[in-house]
Order: sequence, then structure tokens, then C-alpha cells
Amino acid sequence: EVQLVESGGGLVQPGRSLKLSCVASGFTFSNYGMNWIRQAPGKGLEWVAYISSGSSYIYYAETVKGRFTISRDNAKNTLYLQMTSLRSEDTALYYCARRDVYYGLSVGFAYWGQGTLVTVSS
Amino acid sequence: DIVMTQSPSSLAVSAGETVTINCKSSQSLLSSGNQKNYLAWYQQKPGQSPKLLIYLASTRESGVPDRFIGSGSGTDFTLTISSVQAEDLADYYCQQHYSYPLTFGSGTKLEIK
Repeated sequence: EVQLVESGGGLVQPGRSLKLSCVASGFTFSNYGMNWIRQAPGKGLEWVAYISSGSSYIYYAETVKGRFTISRDNAKNTLYLQMTSLRSEDTALYYCARRDVYYGLSVGFAYWGQGTLVTVSS
Repeated sequence: DIVMTQSPSSLAVSAGETVTINCKSSQSLLSSGNQKNYLAWYQQKPGQSPKLLIYLASTRESGVPDRFIGSGSGTDFTLTISSVQAEDLADYYCQQHYSYPLTFGSGTKLEIK
């Protein structure tokens, strides 16, 4: 069974840093691109960042570029999101999600974690 | 960036009715190479993570009831839910995965009368 379990969220002051983790199981982690997606309280979904299976390709949303860093450790089956210079508008539930490919075609995100809540407040 | 415009933002229907949710992209999501539209639909029930319903604009994900139908091409897409059931109470989002940055529609809240 595919499982994605996020952790590392919490209450942090504006301007500070936080690192999120997502531990994957039930599939060969090193074969899949991974994403971070967030959802502010009561709001819609916002894609944050993507990293390819071998970390060769990395993309960010403009709202986090230069402040957030996505990375992965395939030996540990773990995805990370290092967040710096945090702002109140970064407050959200952060999901990790697997980029799924069927018969060579990208299909979106078939697997999501349960999310970890980041609250940026003084 | 590709902007996804979703409508309506909310709707309330009675069980058994048919619902239509629209999604318009600011650029075509149709790949000239393989004639596939890189558009997905997700369902998010209260307190749960999103669930993939439809991919490549019209293909149902495994296990998704056939009352969920995706259609459209290019820049205009539709999610139709026929014979809505109480369990379909949820937020629905479209998402383009044609190019980065990936973008979602603003969501449609479906309420059951």
C-alpha cells in the first residue's frame, strides 16, 4: 500500500525557518517525481514545488522561489521541504504528493499524504 | 503561468440531480505531440486529502464511479456528476499539469440539499 507521511509542521515566527519531511513507503520511491502542495485554512490548493526522481529537475511556485528548497534522499525514501524567511501567508497544510505516470503519460497526483500544518505567527 | 478559471464557486443540488463544473485554462492544455489534454480533476471531502478523479481530461481513475465524467479539450473542460449522491459532498478542483508551474482552479464547493 502506498503511504506518504508528512511531518515537521508547527508554529513558527515570521522570518524563521522550518523543514518538512515526507516519508514514502509501499512503492519504489526513487522511480517517482514528488511534489509539495499546500492549502491555506479554508482555501484552495496551491502547488509549491516539484523534484524529479533523480533530483535533476526542480521547479518552484513563484510565491516560494528563493525561500523554499525541495530535496530528497532516495536511500531514506524521504522528501524534504526546507522553508526559510517564512511569512504569515505561508500558513497552510502542506501535502506531499506523488507525480504519477500511466503508460508514459503524466496523469497528476494519485497519491497524497495527510498533510502537516505550518502556522506562521508571532 | 497558466491560469485556471473554475466555475461556479459553489452549488447546491438535490440527490439524483446532475451537476456540471467548468474549468477554463488561459492556454491550451492539448499536447500537439500526443493529442492528450493534461488536465486532472480532484475531489476533496471535508477533512480529507484530495483524491484524483479524472486524468487526461476524460479518463476516470481506477475505482471512481462512472457517474463522474470528464470532458473537454484545449482550454475548456467540464466535470459532470450525474445522479449526485450524498457522499459526493466535497470540494472539486481542476489542475493543469501541462507545464510548470502547475496550477489549480479555485475550487467548487458542492453541497447537497
